[in-house]
Amino acid sequence: GAVVSQHPSWVICKSGTSVKIECRSLDFQATTMFWYRQFPKQSLMLMATSNEGSKATYEQGVEKDKFLINHASLTLSTLTVTSAHPEDSSFYICSARPGRAPGDTQYFGPGTRLTVL
Amino acid sequence: GIQVEQSPPDLILQEGANSTLRCNFSDSVNNLQWFHQNPWGQLINLFYIPSGTKQNGRLSATTVATERYSLLYISSSQTTDSGVYFCAVYTSGTYKYIFGTGTRLKVLA
Repeated sequence: GAVVSQHPSWVICKSGTSVKIECRSLDFQATTMFWYRQFPKQSLMLMATSNEGSKATYEQGVEKDKFLINHASLTLSTLTVTSAHPEDSSFYICSARPGRAPGDTQYFGPGTRLTVL
Repeated sequence: GIQVEQSPPDLILQEGANSTLRCNFSDSVNNLQWFHQNPWGQLINLFYIPSGTKQNGRLSATTVATERYSLLYISSSQTTDSGVYFCAVYTSGTYKYIFGTGTRLKVLA
């Protein structure tokens, strides 16, 4: 149980284009999902918290107009990287929380590797 | 904000060896999790352990919240244990998990 999928698993795009990444909880409902970013050989950095039916909460320093998050249902959250540039190349990981308490465990998707040329 | 430091940063073991990974945090926490990130990037939940000791097969973990550290024990290591181990702590003041710096483990056959 507690499986989270991400699509695509990797994507290469040209500078200036937009890329959408999907995160789905396959066997549970998640009112809250999270988006992380990981640079090579570094730890995970939380970008934003996505709540179903409401606006996402972005961490300090994360541009909300560049990283658009939509959590339209209890099983799907999307991250759109708008007007991508080479510095946006990274490993993007989502997680979903089955429980309602903020400190409950999270389950992670397999990640999406984005390369912007 | 809270700092989460893991040690050692890198570890190389021969198959069959035992190891202890440490996670130190600078402030009180409400919850703590250990994860294994495999070489393909997938994070796998190992333990949800705000306090006390838990065991799952060859792995066990202990969190001493009052002294602000947690330990992950790996016994009889296997090559499939290779990857990066992260601890993540949750504090009610931040409403989010903060990930540690990670320990990169390589187990040699």
